[in-house]
Amino acid sequence: AQKVTQAQTEISVVEKEDVTLDCVYETRDTTYYLFWYKQPPSGELVFLIRRNSFDEQNEISGRYSWNFQKSTSSFNFTITASQVVDSAVYFCALSEAMAAGNKLTFGGGTRVLVKP
Amino acid sequence: DTGVSQDPRHKITKRGQNVTFRCDPISEHNRLYWYRQTLGQGPEFLTYFQNEAQLEKSRLLSDRFSAERPKGSFSTLEIQRTEQGDSAMYLCASSPGTPWNTEAFFGQGTRLTVV
Repeated sequence: AQKVTQAQTEISVVEKEDVTLDCVYETRDTTYYLFWYKQPPSGELVFLIRRNSFDEQNEISGRYSWNFQKSTSSFNFTITASQVVDSAVYFCALSEAMAAGNKLTFGGGTRVLVKP
Repeated sequence: DTGVSQDPRHKITKRGQNVTFRCDPISEHNRLYWYRQTLGQGPEFLTYFQNEAQLEKSRLLSDRFSAERPKGSFSTLEIQRTEQGDSAMYLCASSPGTPWNTEAFFGQGTRLTVV
Protein backbone atom coordinates (compact mmCIF):
# COMPACT_ATOMS: atom_id res chain seq x y z
CA ALA A 1 0.00 0.00 0.00
CA GLN A 2 1.19 3.48 -0.73
CA LYS A 3 2.03 5.88 2.07
CA VAL A 4 3.46 9.38 2.40
CA THR A 5 5.03 10.66 5.59
CA GLN A 6 5.79 14.26 6.41
CA ALA A 7 7.44 14.10 9.80
CA GLN A 8 7.49 17.84 10.41
CA THR A 9 4.08 19.10 11.46
CA GLU A 10 5.06 22.75 11.79
CA ILE A 11 8.11 24.86 10.97
CA SER A 12 8.56 28.45 12.02
CA VAL A 13 11.21 30.67 10.42
CA VAL A 14 12.06 34.32 10.16
CA GLU A 15 11.74 35.94 6.77
CA LYS A 16 14.71 35.36 4.43
CA GLU A 17 15.68 32.12 6.13
CA ASP A 18 15.72 28.92 4.08
CA VAL A 19 13.32 26.14 5.02
CA THR A 20 13.38 22.49 3.95
CA LEU A 21 10.32 20.26 4.11
CA ASP A 22 10.86 16.52 4.30
CA CYS A 23 8.77 13.93 2.48
CA VAL A 24 9.26 10.15 2.62
CA TYR A 25 7.10 7.80 0.61
CA GLU A 26 6.36 4.08 0.34
CA THR A 27 5.17 2.29 -2.76
CA ARG A 28 5.48 -1.10 -4.41
CA ASP A 29 5.05 0.33 -7.88
CA THR A 30 8.10 0.96 -10.02
CA THR A 31 6.28 3.72 -11.86
CA TYR A 32 4.86 6.46 -9.73
CA TYR A 33 4.55 10.21 -9.50
CA LEU A 34 5.32 12.59 -6.69
CA PHE A 35 3.73 15.98 -6.14
CA TRP A 36 3.92 18.98 -3.87
CA TYR A 37 0.88 21.16 -3.21
CA LYS A 38 0.54 24.38 -1.23
CA GLN A 39 -2.60 25.11 0.80
CA PRO A 40 -2.90 28.75 1.84
CA PRO A 41 -5.52 29.83 4.41
CA SER A 42 -8.10 30.19 1.64
CA GLY A 43 -8.15 26.38 1.47
CA GLU A 44 -7.47 25.76 -2.20
CA LEU A 45 -4.67 23.31 -2.94
CA VAL A 46 -2.20 24.87 -5.36
CA PHE A 47 -0.05 22.59 -7.50
CA LEU A 48 3.69 23.23 -7.25
CA ILE A 49 5.51 20.34 -8.94
CA ARG A 50 5.17 16.83 -10.34
CA ARG A 51 8.05 14.38 -10.68
CA ASN A 52 7.96 10.86 -12.13
CA SER A 53 9.90 7.97 -10.68
CA PHE A 54 12.29 7.80 -13.60
CA ASP A 55 13.47 11.36 -13.35
CA GLU A 56 15.74 11.95 -10.38
CA GLN A 57 17.06 15.27 -11.54
CA ASN A 58 16.66 17.98 -8.98
CA GLU A 59 14.58 20.95 -10.02
CA ILE A 60 14.67 24.63 -9.23
CA SER A 61 11.89 27.10 -9.87
CA GLY A 62 12.61 30.55 -8.56
CA ARG A 63 12.99 30.30 -4.80
CA TYR A 64 11.69 26.71 -4.79
CA SER A 65 13.82 23.63 -5.26
CA TRP A 66 13.17 19.92 -4.99
CA ASN A 67 15.50 17.02 -4.19
CA PHE A 68 14.30 13.58 -5.30
CA GLN A 69 16.28 10.57 -4.06
CA LYS A 70 14.90 7.13 -4.91
CA SER A 71 17.56 5.43 -2.78
CA THR A 72 16.02 6.93 0.35
CA SER A 73 12.45 7.26 -1.00
CA SER A 74 12.49 10.95 -0.31
CA PHE A 75 11.26 14.01 -2.17
CA ASN A 76 12.25 17.06 -0.17
CA PHE A 77 11.27 20.64 -0.85
CA THR A 78 13.30 23.76 -0.05
CA ILE A 79 12.14 27.34 0.00
CA THR A 80 15.08 29.71 -0.26
CA ALA A 81 14.92 33.19 1.24
CA SER A 82 11.44 32.62 2.64
CA GLN A 83 8.80 35.33 2.51
CA VAL A 84 5.69 35.93 4.59
CA VAL A 85 3.57 34.92 1.57
CA ASP A 86 5.10 31.45 1.81
CA SER A 87 3.16 30.84 5.02
CA ALA A 88 0.86 27.91 4.27
CA VAL A 89 0.46 24.19 4.71
CA TYR A 90 2.48 22.16 2.23
CA PHE A 91 1.51 18.65 1.20
CA CYS A 92 3.56 15.97 -0.47
CA ALA A 93 1.55 13.42 -2.45
CA LEU A 94 2.08 10.17 -4.35
CA SER A 95 0.23 8.67 -7.29
CA GLU A 96 0.92 5.13 -8.45
CA ALA A 97 0.74 4.40 -12.16
CA MET A 98 -1.45 1.40 -11.42
CA ALA A 99 -3.86 3.40 -9.30
CA ALA A 100 -7.17 4.11 -10.97
CA GLY A 101 -7.51 7.63 -12.20
CA ASN A 102 -4.23 8.94 -10.80
CA LYS A 103 -5.70 9.26 -7.33
CA LEU A 104 -3.40 10.95 -4.88
CA THR A 105 -2.22 9.77 -1.48
CA PHE A 106 -1.25 12.76 0.63
CA GLY A 107 1.03 13.15 3.59
CA GLY A 108 -0.18 14.85 6.73
CA GLY A 109 1.20 18.22 5.68
CA THR A 110 3.75 20.63 7.11
CA ARG A 111 2.60 24.03 8.28
CA VAL A 112 5.15 26.73 7.47
CA LEU A 113 4.99 30.00 9.35
CA VAL A 114 7.23 32.77 8.09
CA LYS A 115 7.54 35.65 10.49
CA PRO A 116 8.49 39.13 9.30
CA ASP B 1 -11.55 29.44 -17.30
CA THR B 2 -12.27 30.13 -13.67
CA GLY B 3 -10.90 26.92 -12.22
CA VAL B 4 -12.73 24.34 -10.14
CA SER B 5 -15.76 25.80 -8.39
CA GLN B 6 -17.46 24.36 -5.32
CA ASP B 7 -20.73 25.34 -3.73
CA PRO B 8 -21.47 26.07 -0.96
CA ARG B 9 -18.21 27.14 0.65
CA HIS B 10 -19.56 26.52 4.12
CA LYS B 11 -22.42 24.39 5.40
CA ILE B 12 -23.64 23.97 8.96
CA THR B 13 -26.21 21.25 9.49
CA LYS B 14 -27.83 19.40 12.32
CA ARG B 15 -27.00 15.78 12.90
CA GLY B 16 -29.30 13.53 10.95
CA GLN B 17 -29.96 15.99 8.12
CA ASN B 18 -29.01 15.39 4.51
CA VAL B 19 -26.60 17.69 2.70
CA THR B 20 -25.55 18.02 -0.93
CA PHE B 21 -22.46 19.68 -2.34
CA ARG B 22 -21.80 20.69 -5.91
CA CYS B 23 -18.55 20.77 -7.89
CA ASP B 24 -18.03 22.37 -11.29
CA PRO B 25 -14.74 21.17 -12.76
CA ILE B 26 -12.59 22.95 -15.27
CA SER B 27 -14.40 22.65 -18.57
CA GLU B 28 -13.30 19.73 -20.73
CA HIS B 29 -11.60 17.99 -17.82
CA ASN B 30 -12.94 14.47 -18.00
CA ARG B 31 -11.65 13.33 -14.63
CA LEU B 32 -13.22 14.50 -11.40
CA TYR B 33 -12.26 13.57 -7.84
CA TRP B 34 -13.66 14.05 -4.37
CA TYR B 35 -11.40 14.17 -1.33
CA ARG B 36 -12.11 14.72 2.34
CA GLN B 37 -9.81 16.66 4.63
CA THR B 38 -10.20 16.72 8.40
CA LEU B 39 -8.52 19.32 10.57
CA GLY B 40 -4.77 18.99 10.64
CA GLN B 41 -4.69 16.11 8.18
CA GLY B 42 -3.96 15.66 4.51
CA PRO B 43 -6.78 15.11 2.02
CA GLU B 44 -8.07 11.54 1.67
CA PHE B 45 -9.44 10.14 -1.56
CA LEU B 46 -13.17 9.43 -1.64
CA THR B 47 -14.15 8.75 -5.23
CA TYR B 48 -13.29 9.37 -8.87
CA PHE B 49 -15.21 9.86 -12.11
CA GLN B 50 -14.07 9.42 -15.67
CA ASN B 51 -16.68 11.42 -17.56
CA GLU B 52 -19.99 10.25 -16.08
CA ALA B 53 -18.72 6.87 -14.88
CA GLN B 54 -17.81 6.47 -11.22
CA LEU B 55 -14.79 4.19 -11.47
CA GLU B 56 -13.54 3.94 -7.92
CA LYS B 57 -14.84 4.49 -4.43
CA SER B 58 -12.81 4.51 -1.24
CA ARG B 59 -13.86 2.43 1.74
CA LEU B 60 -14.22 5.81 3.45
CA LEU B 61 -17.33 6.34 1.37
CA SER B 62 -19.98 4.67 3.49
CA ASP B 63 -23.49 3.84 2.32
CA ARG B 64 -24.61 7.26 3.52
CA PHE B 65 -22.48 8.93 0.85
CA SER B 66 -23.39 9.07 -2.80
CA ALA B 67 -21.76 10.94 -5.66
CA GLU B 68 -22.98 11.55 -9.16
CA ARG B 69 -21.76 13.17 -12.33
CA PRO B 70 -24.81 12.82 -14.53
CA LYS B 71 -23.62 14.39 -17.77
CA GLY B 72 -19.91 14.19 -17.27
CA SER B 73 -19.74 17.84 -16.28
CA PHE B 74 -20.62 18.97 -12.75
CA SER B 75 -20.76 16.54 -9.85
CA THR B 76 -22.73 16.33 -6.62
CA LEU B 77 -21.80 14.67 -3.35
CA GLU B 78 -24.65 13.87 -1.00
CA ILE B 79 -24.36 12.80 2.61
CA GLN B 80 -27.47 11.32 4.18
CA ARG B 81 -28.19 11.25 7.91
CA THR B 82 -25.11 13.30 8.72
CA GLU B 83 -23.03 12.46 11.77
CA GLN B 84 -20.62 14.63 13.72
CA GLY B 85 -17.76 12.59 12.30
CA ASP B 86 -18.68 13.86 8.83
CA SER B 87 -17.47 17.33 9.78
CA ALA B 88 -14.61 18.06 7.40
CA MET B 89 -13.55 19.96 4.31
CA TYR B 90 -14.76 18.30 1.13
CA LEU B 91 -12.47 19.02 -1.79
CA CYS B 92 -13.19 18.53 -5.45
CA ALA B 93 -10.49 18.29 -8.10
CA SER B 94 -10.38 17.77 -11.84
CA SER B 95 -7.77 16.83 -14.40
CA PRO B 96 -7.69 16.47 -18.17
CA GLY B 97 -6.85 12.78 -17.94
CA THR B 98 -4.15 13.08 -20.58
CA PRO B 99 -1.22 13.14 -20.69
CA TRP B 100 -1.06 10.42 -18.10
CA ASN B 101 -0.79 11.63 -14.56
CA THR B 102 -1.00 15.32 -15.12
CA GLU B 103 -1.67 17.31 -12.00
CA ALA B 104 -5.13 17.70 -10.50
CA PHE B 105 -6.60 21.16 -10.00
CA PHE B 106 -8.47 21.67 -6.76
CA GLY B 107 -11.40 23.83 -5.76
CA GLN B 108 -11.53 25.80 -2.54
CA GLY B 109 -13.61 23.15 -0.85
CA THR B 110 -16.86 22.97 1.09
CA ARG B 111 -16.43 23.06 4.84
CA LEU B 112 -19.10 20.98 6.55
CA THR B 113 -19.90 21.35 10.24
CA VAL B 114 -22.36 18.91 11.77
CA VAL B 115 -23.78 20.09 15.09
